[in-house]
Amino acid sequence: AQKITQTQPGMFVQEKEAVTLDCTYDTSDPSYGLFWYKQPSSGEMIFLIYQGSYDQQNATEGRYSLNFQKARKSANLVISASQLGDSAMYFCAMREDFLTGANSKLTFGKGITLSVRP
Amino acid sequence: DSGVTQTPKHLITATGQRVTLRCSPRSGDLSVYWYQQSLDQGLQFLIQYYNGEERAKGNILERFSAQQFPDLHSELNLSSLELGDSALYFCASSSGLAGETQYFGPGTRLLVL
Repeated sequence: AQKITQTQPGMFVQEKEAVTLDCTYDTSDPSYGLFWYKQPSSGEMIFLIYQGSYDQQNATEGRYSLNFQKARKSANLVISASQLGDSAMYFCAMREDFLTGANSKLTFGKGITLSVRP
Repeated sequence: DSGVTQTPKHLITATGQRVTLRCSPRSGDLSVYWYQQSLDQGLQFLIQYYNGEERAKGNILERFSAQQFPDLHSELNLSSLELGDSALYFCASSSGLAGETQYFGPGTRLLVL
């Protein structure tokens, strides 16, 4: 079974509007971290936001917020007030066994392409 | 700018050749990770080093090897290259072992002809 699922086809949003990018995950580990990265067409991977499985509140970083629903195993990224520069591929990733560090790797979803229309 | 540097940015080589990709982690970071991004496999974890020691291995081929030097920079060696090794290779770093965000370098785009 896939550990990270991103099934949305290419997403489109109007400039200045909000958009939600979906991510569901699968783990039996009680300690895990969820991450979102942005990959523009230039190729670099830019860290956006992180949510720990034990965090009580949803993470926020500027225009980015993470809608964390633990029981549903979803960690959706919300981008408010979209900008043209937000056009990119967005990856959801998970790191299991987060607190002990025994498992180092990030497991990535396949990504979602977001296009912001002027 | 994440603070992680990778060289070269682009690399074009032929099948059967060997190449070395270099990574310098963010100042103070002890962990270095290597990932491969290809169209068919997506983003895959290859290997992690922590303070000079191999810490974890992922889907890394036997033709590939890595090391981390005392100054904490890391090199990924790819040998007997095949067409299918063409990919974007990322290095990432984090401060320690547990609970930290991994910050990615700009990547090395490898094309094997």
